[in-house]
Order: sequence, then structure tokens, then C-alpha cells
Amino acid sequence: EPEVTQTPSHQVTQMGQEVILRCVPISNHLYFYWYRQILGQKVEFLVSFYNNEISEKSEIFDDQFSVERPDGSNFTLKIRSTKLEDSAMYFCASSESLAFANTGELFFGEGSRLTVL
Amino acid sequence: KNEVEQSPQNLTAQEGEFITINCSYSVGISALHWLQQHPGGGIVSLFMLSSGKKKHGRLIATINIQEKHSSLHITASHPRDSAVYICAVRVNFGNEKLTFGTGTRLTIIP
Repeated sequence: EPEVTQTPSHQVTQMGQEVILRCVPISNHLYFYWYRQILGQKVEFLVSFYNNEISEKSEIFDDQFSVERPDGSNFTLKIRSTKLEDSAMYFCASSESLAFANTGELFFGEGSRLTVL
Repeated sequence: KNEVEQSPQNLTAQEGEFITINCSYSVGISALHWLQQHPGGGIVSLFMLSSGKKKHGRLIATINIQEKHSSLHITASHPRDSAVYICAVRVNFGNEKLTFGTGTRLTIIP
């Protein structure tokens, strides 16, 4: 069964360092998303990406964050200068159809746990 | 601002029991998702609903658009159903942002 894969599964970094989280979405999917979940809190939407550009972003997704699809398979989330409050689980997801209008299925990766010290 | 409330927050039941998890939201939506988060943290999409009812195996999801309420039911619950169940809603077609509930932690005791 096709799956979304994320690397690394866990990253520990010092405050102020740059972090890149990587995702390989399902190959025929066109829409890509990043979500985050701070420990003990709700999952939060960060950004959606379609046709090589951001289609929607939340207020959390400030200038410290960026996303990129550098090749035909990877989808990355970069945090330029990490803060303590960036410590969270980051989930990548992909879907085949626009905004769940058709099948509605959203496929999540297993998550990347980021710990900022 | 759309709020998504789930109840109960925690639920412990014996194996075989019928389980109901509820989700209420405050504004009109175009779709509602039920997600399952495993103890290791991974998330799996269970259902997407815009009206009516869907069934997959022992799982049933219903939605009442007028009452802004959805329920997830598990029949013949099993310890492997133990997980956090999350409700998430989308406000408009073409709006890709999901708003998530806090989740319901379900524990099924053998």
C-alpha cells in the first residue's frame, strides 16, 4: 500500500539552528500539507502546497518557515532559526484531490519529532 | 472562529463494548474527518464525511449537518482499537485548512 514517508523520525537541535524536515508524498498525489502537534495539544494546520506554490498557510507559518518541493518526489519543511516553542511532532500529509472534494482521503506520514534545546 | 469539541476526552471500556465518540463544531462546514492517532504518534485517516453515514468494518461515522454534530462508533471493540480519535473539520470547499479537535483517548481493556 502506498504511504507517505518522513525523515528524520526524531531530530534534536539547538535553539537558533536551521532544521529541514523531509517528506516523500504518495507518488500520484498533487496536494501536500504540513501539520504540527505540540506535545499534549491539538494538531494544527501549517501550510498546504499545490502546483509548486503555497496555496494556504496558517498564522503559525511565519517567515521562519518555508516549504519546497525540490524535485519530483520530496517535499520539505525548513525552519530557519529554531525556537524552543518549535518543539513538536511535524506531520506531512498528501492527497490526490483538491481539498478533499472527491474521495476525501488524506494520507499522513508517521511524523518527525523535533526537539529544540 | 470555528471551535471543534470532542467528548469524552478519555474513555476506557471493556473489550466487546460499543463505543461512541462525539464531535461538535461551531460553524458550517463542508467536510468532517475522523482520524486515528496511534500510541507511537502516527495518524491514519478513517473517514471523510459531508453528510449522512459511512461504515468501514467495525467503524461507523455519522454526521448531522443541521445540528453541527458527528459521532464515531466502534462495534465489538478490541484492545487494538486503543488510540486517540480526532475529529477535524474543513469550513469551505477550496479551503484546505483543517481545524482539529483535542482528541478522545480510547483504551479498551481485554
